[in-house]
Amino acid sequence: ILNVEQSPQSLHVQEGDSTNFTCSFPSSNFYALHWYRWETAKSPEALFVMTLNGDEKKKGRISATLNTKEGYSYLYIKGSQPEDSATYLCAFRLPGSSNTGKLIFGQGTTLQVKP
Amino acid sequence: DGGITQSPKYLFRKEGQNVTLSCEQNLNHDAMYWYRQDPGQGLRLIYYSQIVNDFQKGDIAEGYSVSREKKESFPLTVTSAQKNPTAFYLCASTLTGGNTIYFGEGSWLTVV
Repeated sequence: ILNVEQSPQSLHVQEGDSTNFTCSFPSSNFYALHWYRWETAKSPEALFVMTLNGDEKKKGRISATLNTKEGYSYLYIKGSQPEDSATYLCAFRLPGSSNTGKLIFGQGTTLQVKP
Repeated sequence: DGGITQSPKYLFRKEGQNVTLSCEQNLNHDAMYWYRQDPGQGLRLIYYSQIVNDFQKGDIAEGYSVSREKKESFPLTVTSAQKNPTAFYLCASTLTGGNTIYFGEGSWLTVV
């Protein structure tokens, strides 16, 4: 059974703090690792799709790194703002075109940023 | 605006009744998916369809049925055979071979 684990489950930080979360996934048979941001009552929004070991991606104050050999990815938020409050999901994808969209999700990390 | 529309947003049903959740997309995506979320768990794949008139079981298909008669539509029926139907249901779509998956806003189903 393929398992994706995210930690911590929830996080409360003050505005301006930098923070990071972890996503652990199977290191064998890797194709891609997805990060999503999911605000309450909205659709999950794609942040990053990472495919290569050592990949680093950045979108504004949010960045992510990928280590496929050891099976983990970190998501960093620099200078957290209240609007960053959301659940952050990571999802693992197996190789093969038939696996497009067949993602294995972690349970998410819920971030609350206090003003 | 292009996107995925799920309806209804909230649905209450009596035990033993079938219920159908709607998912429509105007993104011209080939593939569509249904996921289920339970508290404390990651999203789990119920069914998916990569082309019209074809669909495949995901990891937790028992008690569910789908159809894909049109490219833009992928309704999910939660049947009375589904033992724990109360959950949050999320529809998604993507281009075949594409990397980005797009999601709807979800439907809450409560069975009493």
